[in-house]
Amino acid sequence: AQSVTQPDIHITVSEGASLELRCNYSYGATPYLFWYVQSPGQGLQLLLKYFSGDTLVQGIKGFEAEFKRSQSSFNLRKPSVHWSDAAEYFCAVGLTLGNDMRFGAGTRLTVKP
Amino acid sequence: GAGVSQSPSNKVTEKGKDVELRCDPISGHTALYWYRQSLGQGLEFLIYFQGNSAPDKSGLPSDRFSAERTGGSVSTLTIQRTQQEDSAVYLCASSLDSGQPQHFGDGTRLSIL
Repeated sequence: AQSVTQPDIHITVSEGASLELRCNYSYGATPYLFWYVQSPGQGLQLLLKYFSGDTLVQGIKGFEAEFKRSQSSFNLRKPSVHWSDAAEYFCAVGLTLGNDMRFGAGTRLTVKP
Repeated sequence: GAGVSQSPSNKVTEKGKDVELRCDPISGHTALYWYRQSLGQGLEFLIYFQGNSAPDKSGLPSDRFSAERTGGSVSTLTIQRTQQEDSAVYLCASSLDSGQPQHFGDGTRLSIL
C-alpha cells in the first residue's frame, strides 16, 4: 500500500544547530515529493519539491532536501536552524500531482535558544 | 488578496448542527482540494475539484460531508449533523492545474461541543 512516513513526531534542536527531518515513502514508482511547513495558526507553505533531475533540491528559507531512490527517502535538511523555523513540517508524496497527494503525519520542530 | 482565503477562521458549534466552510481559491486556479487535519494527525484528503470534471469524493469520511464548487471558483464544504470527531482544522488548497504544487489557505478550525 502507498504510504508516507515521518518517523519523528517531535524534534528539538538548539538555535544554530543543524537539522534533518526524515521522510520515507512506499510507492510502486518514484513519486513527486514535497516538503511543506506550517507555522502556528497558519496554512501550509511549500518549502521545496522534487519532480526529476538533480536529487538535491534547494528550497526557501535555507532548506534543502535529498531524494535517495535506494532508501525511498526524501529528508529535509538545514545547516543552521533559526528560532523562526519552529513549526510543523509535512512531507507529501504523490504520483500525479493531482488528487492522490498524501501527507505524512508531520514533525513538530522546537528550537531552543 | 493573492492567496487562498478561507472563512471563517474559527467555528464553534454544537453537536448535531450543520456547518459550512468556505474557500476562495487563487484566481485562475482550476484545481481545488479540501483536507482535514485532526489533532496530532497528518493531513487527510477529503475531496478534489478539477475544472468542470466530476469531483473526486473518495476521501469524504461519511455522507454527512459534501462539497460543491460554484462557477469553478469558490467552494463550500458542508458538514451535516456534526459530531465531536469532526473537530479539526479544515484546509483548502488550490493549484493552477492538477500538475502544479498546491497553495494552502490558513484553514478553518472547527470545534464541536
